Amino acid sequence: GEDVEQSLFLSVREGDSSVINCTYTDSSSTYLYWYKQEPGAGLQLLTYIFSNMDMKQDQRLTVLLNKKDKHLSLRIADTQTGDSAIYFCAEGYDYKLSFGAGTTVTVRA
Amino acid sequence: DADVTQTPRNRITKTGKRIMLECSQTKGHDRMYWYRQDPGLGLRLIYYSFDVKDINKGEISDGYSVSRQAQAKFSLSLESAIPNQTALYFCATSDGGNQNTEAFFGQGTRLTVV
Repeated sequence: GEDVEQSLFLSVREGDSSVINCTYTDSSSTYLYWYKQEPGAGLQLLTYIFSNMDMKQDQRLTVLLNKKDKHLSLRIADTQTGDSAIYFCAEGYDYKLSFGAGTTVTVRA
Repeated sequence: DADVTQTPRNRITKTGKRIMLECSQTKGHDRMYWYRQDPGLGLRLIYYSFDVKDINKGEISDGYSVSRQAQAKFSLSLESAIPNQTALYFCATSDGGNQNTEAFFGQGTRLTVV
């Protein structure tokens, strides 16, 4: 959606780190999310961060939130071929989720 | 078995035909949603429901209608399908009991209108 923006494509070498960036506009968002969509599948929640946090780490995933700049990023360490997918940033407030257009991550050998 | 099930998974229909997409969930969630996904546009909300018989328009409700007759089921209808409704449709559920709006998605229905 127009309230959440992310770049459309990212190509990364296997073993390197991937960084996917997202900007959002709604400062009232309570939670911010990263969803992953593999080919032919629905979206699955990867991780989320509460709006009063700066960082969250979960195994290979690190989420950074800059609330002042309304900027969210997802870092995937040691990127694997199984990480090839579309990644959606989303912001949530009350009942509603607003999604970005999705970043297609391609992992090359 | 999937927690959120959509039927059919794929459908090709002709312009002007009526079509219904079904969604059922076993998560016991009150809130259900219908989204459509188009390349480069992400997911856009069509309709959502907070409870049985509760219906709310989303961002792009024109040309669609929904029905929520039971907590576990939320159906989406296209009364007279048109080609620009060709898209991937997702049903989702969430627990309305807290502010975490994590949504659980079905596998999607790929609809083609010819």
